[in-house]
Amino acid sequence: TQLLEQSPQFLSIQEGENLTVYCNSSSVFSSLQWYRQEPGEGPVLLVTVVTGGEVKKLKRLTFQFGDARKDSSLHITAAQPGDTGLYLCAGEEYGNKLVFGAGTILRVKS
Amino acid sequence: DAGVIQSPRHEVTEMGQEVTLRCKPISGHNSLFWYRQTMMRGLELLIYFNNNVPIDDSGMPEDRFSAKMPNASFSTLKIQPSEPRDSAVYFCASSFRSGGPQETQYFGPGTRLLVL
Repeated sequence: TQLLEQSPQFLSIQEGENLTVYCNSSSVFSSLQWYRQEPGEGPVLLVTVVTGGEVKKLKRLTFQFGDARKDSSLHITAAQPGDTGLYLCAGEEYGNKLVFGAGTILRVKS
Repeated sequence: DAGVIQSPRHEVTEMGQEVTLRCKPISGHNSLFWYRQTMMRGLELLIYFNNNVPIDDSGMPEDRFSAKMPNASFSTLKIQPSEPRDSAVYFCASSFRSGGPQETQYFGPGTRLLVL
């Protein structure tokens, strides 16, 4: 099983600040997904990136897949309290099997 | 759509007891996944089924864990006997596998298991 390392593990910022979460691996994935999980609920898919160098935007969230398809980043602009949650990256292995990173806990204070 | 349904939502049991977790996937989905989430190990895939057939159970911790999918609308994860280290949140997820990549997995709300 390939491993995904996420950083930072925990992030506490003020409303309006920008932040970036990183997801790194020494292995290549066919695609990479980002999920957001709120307390007491299951993860919800935010985006899937497939092509090396691909950039996708979802309102204030920008997702990038590394050229070599080994790493990815999530950038949030002007964070809001509603962005608070656990952010998980997941790499797709063979057979549509996902391996998840440990997650980044984000807290946005108003 | 009701989404993935899991029951019970919370389970407290004593060590040695049998625990059965249940999952109803989204109608029309043909793949089902069981995950376990803990603070120490994060979200781990235990087993997944495609068209009711177990495809990969390499994540199942040991023989105390077993999973079945008797039909397309129901799956169970059983722990017998349970141990305190099994305490975790267990998620079921389903997807529609068309043979291509980039499926979307839809997660249920999870079952929070505490083994005393």
